[in-house]
Amino acid sequence: AQKVTQAQTEISVVEKEDVTLDCVYETRDTTYYLFWYKQPPSGELVFLIRRNSFDEQNEISGRYSWNFQKSTSSFNFTITASQVVDSAVYFCALSEASGSARQLTFGSGTQLTVLP
Amino acid sequence: DAMVIQNPRYQVTQFGKPVTLSCSQTLNHNVMYWYQQKSSQAPKLLFHYYDKDFNNEADTPDNFQSRRPNTSFCFLDIRSPGLGDAAMYLCATSRVGGGGYTFGSGTRLTVV
Repeated sequence: AQKVTQAQTEISVVEKEDVTLDCVYETRDTTYYLFWYKQPPSGELVFLIRRNSFDEQNEISGRYSWNFQKSTSSFNFTITASQVVDSAVYFCALSEASGSARQLTFGSGTQLTVLP
Repeated sequence: DAMVIQNPRYQVTQFGKPVTLSCSQTLNHNVMYWYQQKSSQAPKLLFHYYDKDFNNEADTPDNFQSRRPNTSFCFLDIRSPGLGDAAMYLCATSRVGGGGYTFGSGTRLTVV
């Protein structure tokens, strides 16, 4: 069975601070995908990144960066110089890489509040 | 732009009155999913279609049904909504062999 744990329920930071959202996962699959989604108050899920389990390179996209460490089953997400518009719920998710229909297993989410 | 569209964005229904939520896609993806997300919780998969094959999650209540008349459309029917069914309902699609999912903007259901 797959499981995603986001231990941080809520985080508050002041604008321009850096913040890291933790994600730990469990799976028996040898190949899998990891995702991060942002959910603003309007409710839609905004795709941020997908990472294949074979690719352990860290990735940076503007103020966002992701640290994938297979050895510790972690896929952490860092926002540098946070902004008020970053306030949202962030979900980490996992799916198997094979199979015709691949269920997304979500973590419980981290509510990030960036204060001005 | 290719996308997943959910209508309506907000739906208010009466307790016990059947309601249908719709999802359409222009991506020609094989698989369509329905997720339920209650307040402050993670999305939970209700069921999915792989082409015309329907797959129900074991713990999805019988009150929830789905129809997929063609590749582009998928409907979620709630036969007798209860107060506990108030939630955001998210439709998603994926392509067999591909790794990504595309989500619609969701329908927020209120039961009064």
